[in-house]
Amino acid sequence: QSVLTQPPSVSAAPGQKVSISCSGSYSNIAKNLVSWYQQVPGTAPKLLIYDNRKRPSGIPDRFSGSKSGPSATLGITGLQTGDEAHYYCGVWDSTLSAMVFGGGTRLTVL
Amino acid sequence: EVQLVESGGGLVKPGGSLRLSCTASGFTFSTYSMNWVRQAPGKGLEWVSYINSPSTSKFYADSVKGRFTVSRDNAKNTLYLQMTSLRVEDTAVYYCAKDPLDYGEVTALDFWGQGSLVTVSS
Repeated sequence: QSVLTQPPSVSAAPGQKVSISCSGSYSNIAKNLVSWYQQVPGTAPKLLIYDNRKRPSGIPDRFSGSKSGPSATLGITGLQTGDEAHYYCGVWDSTLSAMVFGGGTRLTVL
Repeated sequence: EVQLVESGGGLVKPGGSLRLSCTASGFTFSTYSMNWVRQAPGKGLEWVSYINSPSTSKFYADSVKGRFTVSRDNAKNTLYLQMTSLRVEDTAVYYCAKDPLDYGEVTALDFWGQGSLVTVSS
């Protein structure tokens, strides 16, 4: 049981947009900075979003992040087949003194 | 180019010990916090441990507290994870991951190694 709750899977057609939610609490998302990671099976995770909404160099602006209270959202527009992967949210939990991840969301581009 | 290369994984019996290493290059290792994250087969990501640049602040997941010890040698650009009293449920790919800051807690994980598989089985 993860501290952060994500939908197990989402799907959409190429060119469409999708949102992945990440639900937490006051001690983690509401209080600290959220990051998002993309993991293609068999490879290491890659940072997509940090500080709630910032993109590292090289990450296209099709990827966006937002936060409201104890919840965060990853948005992906202009879906491509190459976006098929697992997506994880992560954040520091001030009560646990630990980083916590969501259970992951599998994105299928139909 | 930032590179993180883990080593030291392998097969170990329950109750055994293992030490993982992560050799860093392409950035000033001594000025950034570092982390270990693991992923059991077919499962999601689980954060394991954090250490700040001067090794004065360390945090652990409850699942490994008292059994795992994180350390670093800034002169050798190397991060370590000493694992003792290993259990079957510790079986996972272990990743080292760099923090973009040295803040005293995890802010994000901006670069990851390729991972090292640890298998705990009799």
